Amino acid sequence: QVQLQQSGPGLVKPSQTLSLTCAISGDSVSSDSAAWNWVRQSPSRGLEWLGRTYYRSKWYNDYAVSVNARITINPDTSKNQFSLQLKSVTPEDTAVYFCARTMTPRGFDYWGQGTLVTVSS
Amino acid sequence: DIQMTQSPSSLSAPVGDRVTITCRASQSINNYLNWYQHKPGKAPKLLISTASSLESGVPSRFSGSGSGTDFALTISSLRPEDFATYYCQQSYTAPLTFGGGTKVEIK
Repeated sequence: QVQLQQSGPGLVKPSQTLSLTCAISGDSVSSDSAAWNWVRQSPSRGLEWLGRTYYRSKWYNDYAVSVNARITINPDTSKNQFSLQLKSVTPEDTAVYFCARTMTPRGFDYWGQGTLVTVSS
Repeated sequence: DIQMTQSPSSLSAPVGDRVTITCRASQSINNYLNWYQHKPGKAPKLLISTASSLESGVPSRFSGSGSGTDFALTISSLRPEDFATYYCQQSYTAPLTFGGGTKVEIK
């Protein structure tokens, strides 16, 4: 059974960097058939995919256009986890952040528990 | 980006009703369309993959149809636990995109 466990702060100040980690059990971040994603949910935007990392003989990343200039998603093979960094946050980045797995062509089949991140001074 | 347009944005229906939610893609996505159920305080739940494949453990009253640009999620007989927000999502190409959601409420 795949489980994703998120960790990271729930409060970030404007202009600072949001950092979250997603620890994987029951699968590998280096799987050659899975991708590891970050998705956020807010009342104003609904569900919004932010980006993913995946391994297919080498590492790849894809990011949403809306955050492309500010986002980094990194795998950590030594800890079997992946992370999200979102720079220069504003109150509009306030949302519940989820990590999730995809196995093409299926959708997001396993999710983390969600982390409410509030951007406020 | 591929835009996903859901309709309606909300609906109100009694228990036992048949409900259909539609989703339209801005270009053909073959059958790379997934449906989710989302309840407050929980992670979204994958109901249907590749337009019509019911995920393991999902009740058979849920069904999906369509291909190309037009898709539908049908709940054949609403139950109290089905009141939630439903999202479609395309997995055809990055950036992956979701529809705006359909909130299903009790009438």
